[in-house]
Amino acid sequence: EAQVTQNPRYLITVTGKKLTVTCSQNMNHEYMSWYRQDPGLGLRQIYYSMNVEVTDKGDVPEGYKVSRKEKRNFPLILESPSPNQTSLYFCASSLGGNYQPQHFGDGTRLSIL
Amino acid sequence: AQRVTQPEKLLSVFKGAPVELKCNYSYSGSPELFWYVQYSRQRLQLLLRHISRESIKGFTADLNKGETSFHLKKPFAQEEDSAMYYCALMGGSEKLVFGKGTKLTVNP
Repeated sequence: EAQVTQNPRYLITVTGKKLTVTCSQNMNHEYMSWYRQDPGLGLRQIYYSMNVEVTDKGDVPEGYKVSRKEKRNFPLILESPSPNQTSLYFCASSLGGNYQPQHFGDGTRLSIL
Repeated sequence: AQRVTQPEKLLSVFKGAPVELKCNYSYSGSPELFWYVQYSRQRLQLLLRHISRESIKGFTADLNKGETSFHLKKPFAQEEDSAMYYCALMGGSEKLVFGKGTKLTVNP
């Protein structure tokens, strides 16, 4: 089944403790992206990647890192999480190119205490 | 800069009534526009895109470049249409920008 898989689905952690949210897609998509969804703010793009070893900042990259060493994986890293990063995070992928729709994962709910 | 505005946070209609979810955009180039839907406790999924000029689940959306709008319409709303709807714009950099979303409630 074609899908985007995120792990973990839920995480409660404390300020300053490094964490990684993994994202994997099995559709051989070139484009991958991370978003955060906050009430009243909709979805905001954190980082995106147009291909392996190519990443770029979205609208809200501060406090996050990403890497794209393989086509299928695009982990989101919070080196020193803070409470304002408490949010619902979505990973998405697409074939790339302006006309291609994005396929979303189920989301990861992070709570930073 | 790319910007998407969905002026209504909440929209409530009765079953069988027409529904229109508004979306306005700001972009200097030729935009690619999408509508995504998120049903309760489900992942975000594509509803339709302007390039396809298709109708999905009875919804249509027409790109109006003069008014810079991409409103989503359905002539007869159904209860199962209740969801969060997001308009999104992709510019030349492949960066996708979402509006803040409109929560549609269709009452019986």
